Amino acid sequence: QQKVQQSPESLTVSEGAMASLNCTFSDGTSNNFRWYRQHSAKGLEVLVSIFSDGEKEEGRFTAHLNRANLHVSLHIREPQPSDSAVYLCAVSPNSGGSNAKLTFGKGTKLSVKS
Amino acid sequence: EAGVTQSPRYAVLQEGQAVSFWCDPISGHDTLYWYQQPRDQGPQLLVYFRDEAVIDNSQLPSDRFSAVRPKGTNSTLKIQSAKQGDTATYLCASSDWGGFQDTLYFGAGTRLSVL
Repeated sequence: QQKVQQSPESLTVSEGAMASLNCTFSDGTSNNFRWYRQHSAKGLEVLVSIFSDGEKEEGRFTAHLNRANLHVSLHIREPQPSDSAVYLCAVSPNSGGSNAKLTFGKGTKLSVKS
Repeated sequence: EAGVTQSPRYAVLQEGQAVSFWCDPISGHDTLYWYQQPRDQGPQLLVYFRDEAVIDNSQLPSDRFSAVRPKGTNSTLKIQSAKQGDTATYLCASSDWGGFQDTLYFGAGTRLSVL
């Protein structure tokens, strides 16, 4: 069964400094990786989806995937106080209906101080 | 384009009471998912539908939980005889069944407290 672990559990950065979040997974055949943001009392908002090794940029958010190291990261450039939220990593195996097989990590709580 | 709509936003129950959650997915999305998210945990899939058919309900505690999507649009998740362990946020999501790269779009959730 897929295990997804995120680190750190919480992170505080100053406005404008780079924020880096980590996610490790156990199934090396996984090919569907997503980063979601969850503001308090709001639903999950997808930030970046990545399906092959390398880098994927969406605005200020960049995901790096290294399946050999079972690692995917999210980097937030110039974070703002409005980016304060819980960030969730989700991983799915290489199989049909894989959206339904997404396994989520517990999240990293990011606080951005002005 | 309207997003995924859920109601109610909050529910507080005593153990043994029943509760229903309602979800209206994004128009045109044929796949609908219900997730349970305990506090400080990631969402965990309970059940999902393609149109009106249940595709997988293996994670649904069938003795007390039920879910329907009768016309392939809106869906209702019901808990009979709630327990304190059911305290969590219940999230609904929808997607197009076009392939594994499709994005899940989530509603704001219903936060349930069972006392």
